[in-house]
Amino acid sequence: EADIYQTPRYLVIGTGKKITLECSQTMGHDKMYWYQQDPGMELHLIHYSYGVNSTEKGDLSSESTVSRIRTEHFPLTLESARPSHTSQYLCASSDRVRGEQYFGPGTRLTVT
Amino acid sequence: KNQVEQSPQSLIILEGKNCTLQCNYTVSPFSNLRWYKQDTGRGPVSLTIMTFSENTKSNGRYTATLDADTKQSSLHITASQLSDSASYICVVSDRGSTLGRLYFGRGTQLTVWP
Repeated sequence: EADIYQTPRYLVIGTGKKITLECSQTMGHDKMYWYQQDPGMELHLIHYSYGVNSTEKGDLSSESTVSRIRTEHFPLTLESARPSHTSQYLCASSDRVRGEQYFGPGTRLTVT
Repeated sequence: KNQVEQSPQSLIILEGKNCTLQCNYTVSPFSNLRWYKQDTGRGPVSLTIMTFSENTKSNGRYTATLDADTKQSSLHITASQLSDSASYICVVSDRGSTLGRLYFGRGTQLTVWP
């Protein structure tokens, strides 16, 4: 079992609210990732980080933002949630040697 | 275009039976191929990872094969159990970028009935 955690696991929120999805790992991994996954669809990379103070946008355009102030913490923020943001958000981290990505349990976000 | 295609999209089998899931990819240059198991509402968990030189790798009742020439992989599940019900995702990594870009298939949704 990987030591990567996400909170909250489920979130139902109204349109226009600001939300932050938390992700933390205790494995000391430098690289961290955020993916978006809709039911029956593949994972899409929306943000990644090589290490502290490094953040990059992924392949799928996203209105969310991320920060990496500490190695173990990689939160994702939506300034103004919309129904189109309804999805599952998965956080992952990987080590330098094998590059194996370990996934958190995900946050299921519903914007009403 | 780098893509990963999985078949079938969904599969229902009876407990105790075997099954084989397929993955075709066009990712180049190839680095490795992984199979993940994703339970409903959970994050994916790695089952196997294979590099270019590996043809087969087992993890308990799961056996993955790789044919790098034809760019095909399969995941064989032996003596299925109810707990095998999940989505199985094929993921291919390229070695053309520092990030080690991952390309995900849409998964095969496996349901095991008692």
